[in-house]
Amino acid sequence: EAGVAQSPRYKIIEKRQSVAFWCNPISGHATLYWYQQILGQGPKLLIQFQNNGVVDDSQLPKDRFSAERLKGVDSTLKIQPAKLEDSAVYLCASSLDTGGGNEKLFFGSGTQLSVL
Amino acid sequence: GEDVEQSLFLSVREGDSSVINCTYTDSSSTYLYWYKQEPGAGLQLLTYIFSNMDMKQDQRLTVLLNKKDKHLSLRIADTQTGDSAIYFCAETSTGGFKTIFGAGTRLFVKA
Repeated sequence: EAGVAQSPRYKIIEKRQSVAFWCNPISGHATLYWYQQILGQGPKLLIQFQNNGVVDDSQLPKDRFSAERLKGVDSTLKIQPAKLEDSAVYLCASSLDTGGGNEKLFFGSGTQLSVL
Repeated sequence: GEDVEQSLFLSVREGDSSVINCTYTDSSSTYLYWYKQEPGAGLQLLTYIFSNMDMKQDQRLTVLLNKKDKHLSLRIADTQTGDSAIYFCAETSTGGFKTIFGAGTRLFVKA
């Protein structure tokens, strides 16, 4: 079974530039998550989709971050304009959404973003 | 709000047991998880426990849950150098809509 695919693996940009990350979840997984992991911290949920609807985006800085999930499959996360404090690893995860509350998350390898 | 706390570092000798501890605040937590992250990789689910259980064993891994104290632990028996990684405690509340992660415990295994 193919895992969660993310690209690019690394990205270096200057502040005020824009950047986009792509994620392809495991086939059949209804729920897709974007997490931000700052060095030395645990992952923080940015946005959660169920199929192509947003379940939770309460911690997404909406003035600069946006995300979409086209046709309930692939997803892109965009930052425009980037700030120095956006330097982090952006992790995409997916889960089957069993409805029983036990959501086992499968993570991609992440995109490491450095904002200079 | 919900919070999950862990100690930051643990160092053990190869062959010893490792015990990683976690506390959480959300009394409505239904499932609690342990994830492992190796350098440059995403998180990998190791094991999980339902909140009505006290213990779960899976090969070298033993999870203990004290729901009264909101304390979760992961014991790794016969720790190997390949177990060196960051271990994250996580919890999901009723409905399973949100998974909250701790900051992670970095396990160092000395040969």
